[in-house]
Amino acid sequence: DQQVKQNSPSLSVQEGRISILNCDYTNSMFDYFLWYKKYPAEGPTFLISISSIKDKNEDGRFTVFLNKSAKHLSLHIVPSQPGDSAVYFCAASQTGNMLTFGGGTRLMVKP
Amino acid sequence: DAGVIQSPRHEVTEMGQEVTLRCKPISGHDYLFWYRQTMMRGLELLIYFNNNVPIDDSGMPEDRFSAKMPNASFSTLKIQPSEPRDSAVYFCASSPVLRGYGYTFGSGTRLTVV
Repeated sequence: DQQVKQNSPSLSVQEGRISILNCDYTNSMFDYFLWYKKYPAEGPTFLISISSIKDKNEDGRFTVFLNKSAKHLSLHIVPSQPGDSAVYFCAASQTGNMLTFGGGTRLMVKP
Repeated sequence: DAGVIQSPRHEVTEMGQEVTLRCKPISGHDYLFWYRQTMMRGLELLIYFNNNVPIDDSGMPEDRFSAKMPNASFSTLKIQPSEPRDSAVYFCASSPVLRGYGYTFGSGTRLTVV
């Protein structure tokens, strides 16, 4: 039973446009959420996080939105750049527990 | 720090053979995690250690899989005997805390069992 789901295995976006990656979770006890980015032949690296006391966190071109009532979070990348092409993993955790990752979404940003 | 170091980067083995994957975590990180990435299941946790002690191995798929952490600077994941369905990328990660953004992943070992 996957507690963190990324229902879109892939997403293709034109350079300069907005990329929106989505993530749903089932465990209402999750209170901390993260996005990791993974390039080919490399391990995932931390990108951005959000605590459940917030509904938005912004870092440069990257913004994460959290909708607790819908158990949904999203990552917005504006503007998208070819270097953003990677696999993005959503992750969640509850106090005292390790991260649970989603299945990943492959983003392709076309020049 | 060189980060989390995994070896080998690629491993091709025949079904039935023993496979050992290795990991050197970042010094000072108390937590070590083994993950497996597949197309079907994404990034799934196999086992994690705290101060060299296995804490949660509920993600280990079968008795064919075993993991050890004899000291703070080394861990192994062993598959014996290996099967084609074990083919995946195996990641090791370490962290100073159980949750948070401190997870640092290695580059992974791509295992192919033929």
